[in-house]
Amino acid sequence: GEDVEQSLFLSVREGDSSVINCTYTDSSSTYLYWYKQEPGAGLQLLTYIFSNMDMKQDQRLTVLLNKKDKHLSLRIADTQTGDSAIYFCAETYRGYSSASKIIFGSGTRLSIRP
Amino acid sequence: DVKVTQSSRYLVKRTGEKVFLECVQDMDHENMFWYRQDPGLGLRLIYFSYDVKMKEKGDIPEGYSVSREKKERFSLILESASTNQTSMYLCASSTVGPEAFFGQGTRLTVV
Repeated sequence: GEDVEQSLFLSVREGDSSVINCTYTDSSSTYLYWYKQEPGAGLQLLTYIFSNMDMKQDQRLTVLLNKKDKHLSLRIADTQTGDSAIYFCAETYRGYSSASKIIFGSGTRLSIRP
Repeated sequence: DVKVTQSSRYLVKRTGEKVFLECVQDMDHENMFWYRQDPGLGLRLIYFSYDVKMKEKGDIPEGYSVSREKKERFSLILESASTNQTSMYLCASSTVGPEAFFGQGTRLTVV
């Protein structure tokens, strides 16, 4: 079955880069995502990458996709206290019906040290 | 702005009660989802729906049912609430394209 795995915690110093890693199992995924959840809030889409891309950059965010290893990473440059949140890796999965569902990892809680 | 609204932020129910969680979206999205979120387990898909009256089981459907009588509304039903259903419940909607839009969540406590 489909599965998305990521580590539960990451602590970085303010101003350093954060790298959050994720592995997934469904090689037919169309999109891979990073969602952000701040305390007490719902999930917000941070960025996504189409499965035929290797890299996507958006300001401080860089997403790298290694399809061969089924590995996705999110790099946040110059990490700030406002980046403290839980980051969820997710993939689309198309099951036996024509509908696609989104499968999430366990989430990585990013904490920032002064 | 896309809006996904869940009817309650917090709910406390007794064991054995029938519980309804309501979700409404205002963007005419075809797809709607119910997830539960538990610490260390991330979001687990309970049910999803890709059209009115259509539904598919997710990864953890046991103890739950859903209803989608109108396109904008997707209801999650706990037929007989149990303490292990205490959780944060998140509704989402999507259409073609990559993004799913989430509601604020309903924190359900079953006592």
